[in-house]
Amino acid sequence: AQSVSQHNHHVILSEAASLELGCNYSYGGTVNLFWYVQYPGQHLQLLLKYFSGDPLVKGIKGFEAEFIKSKFSFNLRKPSVQWSDTAEYFCAVKDGTGNQFYFGTGTSLTVIP
Amino acid sequence: KAGVTQTPRYLIKTRGQQVTLSCSPISGHRSVSWYQQTPGQGLQFLFEYFSETQRNKGNFPGRFSGRQFSNSRSEMNVSTLELGDSALYLCASSTGQGAIYGYTFGSGTRLTVV
Repeated sequence: AQSVSQHNHHVILSEAASLELGCNYSYGGTVNLFWYVQYPGQHLQLLLKYFSGDPLVKGIKGFEAEFIKSKFSFNLRKPSVQWSDTAEYFCAVKDGTGNQFYFGTGTSLTVIP
Repeated sequence: KAGVTQTPRYLIKTRGQQVTLSCSPISGHRSVSWYQQTPGQGLQFLFEYFSETQRNKGNFPGRFSGRQFSNSRSEMNVSTLELGDSALYLCASSTGQGAIYGYTFGSGTRLTVV
């Protein structure tokens, strides 16, 4: 079975700092990759997704992620965070052979004004 | 366009009871998946329904079951509740089986077992 690791459980940043959240997965074949965000009191929302092509994908609210196949990674980045980015971030992987999504355990981001 | 609607939002049950949770997907979405979210485990996949048939199942005991109706609405049932079943249960819908383009999530049902 696929496993998804998010090594940063809690991240605290000041506004305008740069963000990078790590995501690694175990499956070596074709994958679809996603980042979801859960703002306080809200439901999970899709930030961005990768299927194929350009490994650098851009999502909403200035977020981007880079797929590095050789490292089994799909790290999320944002050049300058805002207080409103305070949320929990989940990486998810769907392998090409099955219909199941595998989610990481999430990274809690707190941005200090 | 209405989102994914889950009812009820909150539930408190006692051990040994059973519970039924409901999910109405986005109009036109035929796939409904259920997840259990807990602080320590993150999101864990329960099952997926597509066209009234269970297409995929996670690693949960048989006490967890579900069904999907012809209008794509889905229900999840947990029998003989245990304290460890306390969690946020999320429903997610997608256009096709396997949610290849990603999910739209509901706000969840917070279940507390006492």
